[in-house]
Amino acid sequence: KQEVTQIPAALSVPEGENLVLNCSFTDSAIYNLQWFRQDPGKGLTSLLLIQSSQREQTSGRLNASLDKSSGRSTLYIAASQPGDSATYLCAVTTQGGSEKLVFGKGTKLTVNP
Amino acid sequence: ETGVTQTPRHLVMGMTNKKSLKCEQHLGHNAMYWYKQSAKKPLELMFVYSLEERVENNSVPSRFSPECPNSSHLFLHLHTLQPEDSALYLCASGPRYVGEQYFGPGTRLTVT
Repeated sequence: KQEVTQIPAALSVPEGENLVLNCSFTDSAIYNLQWFRQDPGKGLTSLLLIQSSQREQTSGRLNASLDKSSGRSTLYIAASQPGDSATYLCAVTTQGGSEKLVFGKGTKLTVNP
Repeated sequence: ETGVTQTPRHLVMGMTNKKSLKCEQHLGHNAMYWYKQSAKKPLELMFVYSLEERVENNSVPSRFSPECPNSSHLFLHLHTLQPEDSALYLCASGPRYVGEQYFGPGTRLTVT
C-alpha cells in the first residue's frame, strides 16, 4: 500500500530565506507526483506536476525534484515571501493509469515578515 | 465561469437532515472525484467517477451517496450523518488515467 510522508509537519522561516520541503513515498512505481498548495479552509492549487520519467520541474521561484528510485521528492522555494504561507501537499499517482492520488499530510509553512 | 466550483461553501446540518453537495467543472474533463479532508489526516479519496460511471468507492459509509448525471456535474447526497463526518469535502476533476487533478474550493461541513 502506497504511503506518503512529508517532513517537517510545520516550518516557520523569516522572509527572504530559501527553503526545502520534503516528501517520501514507499512504492517507487509511481506514474507522477504533484505538489499542491492549500490556503486555510480553501481547496488545493496545483503547483508542479512531475512525470515519473522527469527529474525536476520549475515554475518561477519553485523547483520540484523527483528521485523515483529512492522514493523522494523535494520542493525548493527561493526567496520566500509572506504570501507563500500555506500548507504544501505532496501526492503521487500509482503507476498503471490509476486515477487515485495518495496524499501526504502536508507541511504547514509560515513565512514571517 | 471556469475551473471547478462547489456549492455550498459552508453547511451546518443536524444528524437527521438530508442535504446535497454540488460540484461543477468547466474544464472538459471526463473524471470527477470526491475527497474528505479531516483535521490532521491526509486527504481521503471517497469516490471516483469516470465517464459518468463510478469506478472506485473506498469503503465509504452508505450515508454518503454520490451521483454523477453528466460529465460536468457531481453531487454528494448526505443523510443521517454523524458528528465525525464534519470535515472539508473537496471535489476534483481531471483527464482520466493521467493523475492530474484540479480541485474546487471545498464545502466546509459541520454536523451537529
